[in-house]
Amino acid sequence: TQLLEQSPQFLSIQEGENLTVYCNSSSVFSSLQWYRQEPGEGPVLLVTVVTGGEVKKLKRLTFQFGDARKDSSLHITAAQPGDTGLYLCAGATGNQFYFGTGTSLTVIP
Amino acid sequence: GVSQTPSNKVTEKGKYVELRCDPISGHTALYWYRQSLGQGPEFLTYFQNEAQLEKSRLLSDRFSAERPKGSFSTLEIQRTEQGDSAMYLCASSLGYWPNEKLFFGSGTQLSVL
Repeated sequence: TQLLEQSPQFLSIQEGENLTVYCNSSSVFSSLQWYRQEPGEGPVLLVTVVTGGEVKKLKRLTFQFGDARKDSSLHITAAQPGDTGLYLCAGATGNQFYFGTGTSLTVIP
Repeated sequence: GVSQTPSNKVTEKGKYVELRCDPISGHTALYWYRQSLGQGPEFLTYFQNEAQLEKSRLLSDRFSAERPKGSFSTLEIQRTEQGDSAMYLCASSLGYWPNEKLFFGSGTQLSVL
């Protein structure tokens, strides 16, 4: 059982389009992270958000932590083929990180 | 970075397997996760130095993990079953909550025939 549900599960878009990935839970987390994973590799950390309502930008990626610290979103502007991968959110509580169900993104040139 | 060996392991049902993780030097926290294709990693267990502080109910009594002297860690599976087939990921971190950063290895892909 995973505490964090991501939507959509799969996303296939054309290069240049915008997209948003959602990460939802009924649990409160002390922080939330987003990772990207490529085939055959481990996840790589993109960002950590700690404060409710916090917004962080990383080039074309915008991350937001919900006010109640239960949900988050990842918005990508003008997607590029290099953005292709499995995007994972992870909520921190206690001494554990609980990962979301994952969103597989394919950006078609 | 975090090193995991072997990168691939194929075994027969009922056999014993041992997976190894070498964390980044100086990282006190070490995590084991299991991941099925296209899904998010599922937490298995967590060490702070040599102490195993958390253990998921996913870790049946066929599984055991240790981290002697707070260095490398091993995940052992007795009497493997086909349902054990998955990618096993290890991550390490400095242990600075809440701005904890996990660094993952490339994983061990386990296939039980």
